[in-house]
Formats: sequence, structure tokens, C-alpha cells
Amino acid sequence: GAGVSQTPSNKVTEKGKYVELRCDPISGHTALYWYRQSLGQGPEFLIYFQGTGAADDSGLPNDRFFAVRPEGSVSTLKIQRTERGDSAVYLCASSSTGTGKWDEQFFGPGTRLTVL
Amino acid sequence: LAKTTQPISMDSYEGQEVNITCSHNNIATNDYITWYQQFPSQGPRFIIQGYKTKVTNEVASLFIPADRKSSTLSLPRVSLSDTAVYYCLVGPSGAGSYQLTFGKGTKLSVIP
Repeated sequence: GAGVSQTPSNKVTEKGKYVELRCDPISGHTALYWYRQSLGQGPEFLIYFQGTGAADDSGLPNDRFFAVRPEGSVSTLKIQRTERGDSAVYLCASSSTGTGKWDEQFFGPGTRLTVL
Repeated sequence: LAKTTQPISMDSYEGQEVNITCSHNNIATNDYITWYQQFPSQGPRFIIQGYKTKVTNEVASLFIPADRKSSTLSLPRVSLSDTAVYYCLVGPSGAGSYQLTFGKGTKLSVIP
């Protein structure tokens, strides 16, 4: 079956520009996560959606970062006034709802963002 | 979330068994231990998860001693395609906590 997809795979932009990164989760998965991964580091949590609402946005670094999931499926991560330090791979993951056990998260291939 | 410590890198020859140990001294009672694998230019992939004793699937085994302060991921007869970064994660701690907290992981290099 189809996995998590992310578009674009690569995005090059100039400092100060606005970018949008898209994530298509696995069909039926109600939980969606965004992570950011810098070179040589593990992924860093940004935000978690349960359905349409952001259940935990504690990882967003500042108010230039915003994410939406209006219909409970596709999500868009939006970055305003990009800075060179925003350059990283942005990963999206999804999981089915569950109780008790820590749900397995299915990751997409990521979007490599380069801010010049 | 419980802090984890694992080796930065490991080398192994093809066909050997590889054991990667992770320390998690302050693991909480309701925490699970989960391992993810990440190949270059790909997102992490779930390998195995356990709570205590031993768990085995078609890819790996996970050994967890009684005190649960460490765990060992065992990869049988590795091949070149097992070259990847392996992350040990412990959690969740606290209700509603579903985010994964990754460390730097262990970079496994399999040598022909």
C-alpha cells in the first residue's frame, strides 16, 4: 500500500522567503507528526496532530513556523521569513490511533530545504 | 522522556551478528523501548519494540534485562544493506505524549 509521501523532495529558497511543505499521510491514520533533521543529528519533533487539531506544537522553534491539517489528512508545514538556520530535512510521519502501546510511526522520505 | 546512551558508531563484517546496546537508566514503569533504522536520504523505519525480556521479529531481536536499564538490539547475519543509523528510543512518559525523541543514534557500517 501507499506510504507517507512528501512534496517537494527538495526545495531551495532565498533567505526571507515563504515556503510550504506538504505531507500526505497513510490513508486512515489520524495522527500526523512533523520532525526536522539536521545533518548528523536525529530527527527533532516539531508538531503533532490528532485529526484536524494540533495536539502538541511544543517543538515549533518560533512563530515563523506554522502547520495545518484542515481536513484531517494532508498537512502543510509553513515557514515564513526563512533563515539559513532553517535548512534541514523536514520529515513527516503518521500513525493510527491507539491506546496503551507507543504507536509505530511511519515516516515519509522527507523534504530537503535549503535556504540560501 | 528517558535519556538514552548508545555508541556513536560500529563496524561489522558481512555475515556477522551485530549487537547494539542502549543504556536508559531512568526508564519509567510505563515506558516501552523502541528501535528505528534510518538509511541515507530516507525517513526512519520502525524495527522492533519491547517492554521486557525478549522480543523477536523477522528483522531483529530485542533483549531487555529484568531491571530494564539497558537493552540490546541484535541483528543476525548482517549484510551490506544493513548499513544505516539505528536509534534507541524510550517512552512515552506521561499521558498523551506521543512524540518520539531521537538521539544521535548508532551508525552501523557493514564491511564486505
